Amino acid sequence: RKEVEQDPGPFNVPEGATVAFNCTYSNSASQSFFWYRQDCRKEPKLLMSVYSSGNEDGRFTAQLNRASQYISLLIRDSKLSDSATYLCVVNTQTDSWGKLQFGAGTQVVVTP
Amino acid sequence: DGGITQSPKYLFRKEGQNVTLSCEQNLNHDAMYWYRQDPGQGLRLIYYSQIVNDFQKGDIAEGYSVSREKKESFPLTVTSAQKNPTAFYLCASSTGGKYQETQYFGPGTRLLVL
Repeated sequence: RKEVEQDPGPFNVPEGATVAFNCTYSNSASQSFFWYRQDCRKEPKLLMSVYSSGNEDGRFTAQLNRASQYISLLIRDSKLSDSATYLCVVNTQTDSWGKLQFGAGTQVVVTP
Repeated sequence: DGGITQSPKYLFRKEGQNVTLSCEQNLNHDAMYWYRQDPGQGLRLIYYSQIVNDFQKGDIAEGYSVSREKKESFPLTVTSAQKNPTAFYLCASSTGGKYQETQYFGPGTRLLVL
């Protein structure tokens, strides 16, 4: 079983619509969670951290469910520029450092 | 501008050849990392370094080697022992430590085998 699993998609979303997708993680001791965005043939870039109480950054909302071991990302009022692959990232901390585990990504395609 | 640079952007390797990928950062970060990305897979950790003159193997270190002689630089050598080197290689850096929050990535190097 992979440590971080995501639906690869693609999620085809009309412009202006809402899209949401989840990511599950296997290590119950994981403490930090992130969403990164990766454009085609580019490097990943941090989109937002995910906090226990849930958090929002403009049109993006992230939620954490520790009991079921998943995090979610919701994008409201989708823009064409939101088309990208969204990587779920989990920090699996050891005694001395935090190792990041990356999901394979969920592809989102926003259409006019 | 502060950031991470990688070179070259594309690299072609012949059979039996060792090649070295460059990674430089001016963010004053202690920790640096090398990842490999293959289609349909998440990033996989090759090597990491938490401090100068020290580095550890990641999940897929076989066929790779690194050095960390300077804080700013963390070159990766893909040796001839790596039988399937075609991939997108990403270098990253962070402040390090147990709760390091964010890794910053370079633009990547695409390695292709001739």
